Amino acid sequence: AQSVTQPDIHITVSEGASLELRCNYSYGATPYLFWYVQSPGQGLQLLLKYFSGDTLVQGIKGFEAEFKRSQSSFNLRKPSVHWSDAAEYFCAVGVSGGYQKVTFGTGTKLQVIP
Amino acid sequence: GAVVSQHPSWVICKSGTSVKIECRSLDFQATTMFWYRQFPKQSLMLMATSNEGSKATYEQGVEKDKFLINHASLTLSTLTVTSAHPEDSSFYICSARDSTTEAFFGQGTRLTVV
Repeated sequence: AQSVTQPDIHITVSEGASLELRCNYSYGATPYLFWYVQSPGQGLQLLLKYFSGDTLVQGIKGFEAEFKRSQSSFNLRKPSVHWSDAAEYFCAVGVSGGYQKVTFGTGTKLQVIP
Repeated sequence: GAVVSQHPSWVICKSGTSVKIECRSLDFQATTMFWYRQFPKQSLMLMATSNEGSKATYEQGVEKDKFLINHASLTLSTLTVTSAHPEDSSFYICSARDSTTEAFFGQGTRLTVV
């Protein structure tokens, strides 16, 4: 079965600083990978996804992620964090056709300080 | 992106009663809907997958007689928590996808059983 590990439970960054959120997955075949963001009390919003092709994917709100098969990683990055980026971020891996069955990581809570 | 609406956003019910949560796709036909449960400070756990007009497929460990899922139309799925108990208190989120495989999440429903 597939699994996702987000090693950082909580991260604090200064506004304007760069950000990298780590994600490692375990899956035997080529995975479908996602990053979602969840604001307090809200549902999830898809930031970006990787299905195939270019391993560097661009998403919304200035986020990007790079798929590294050799490291089984799909880290999320943003060059300059804004206060509005404070939220919880979930990495997820999908199987059987992308969205059919998605397993989520435990999430990383991002705090942005002035 | 497409809009998925959940209702209610929050609900408080007495122990032993049943509560129904609705998940609607507002501007697309959702051939498949997913129901997730999120415990505080934890990730989302897939409870069940429902295809329009078919019985839902429940994940291992999820009581199908307790969590009744109906997907009677291409725009509406409902989750009914029967005979709710305090341990059922949680954040329930649905997601819906159409034939393009893109999945969109609702804003979630906070259930508190007292």
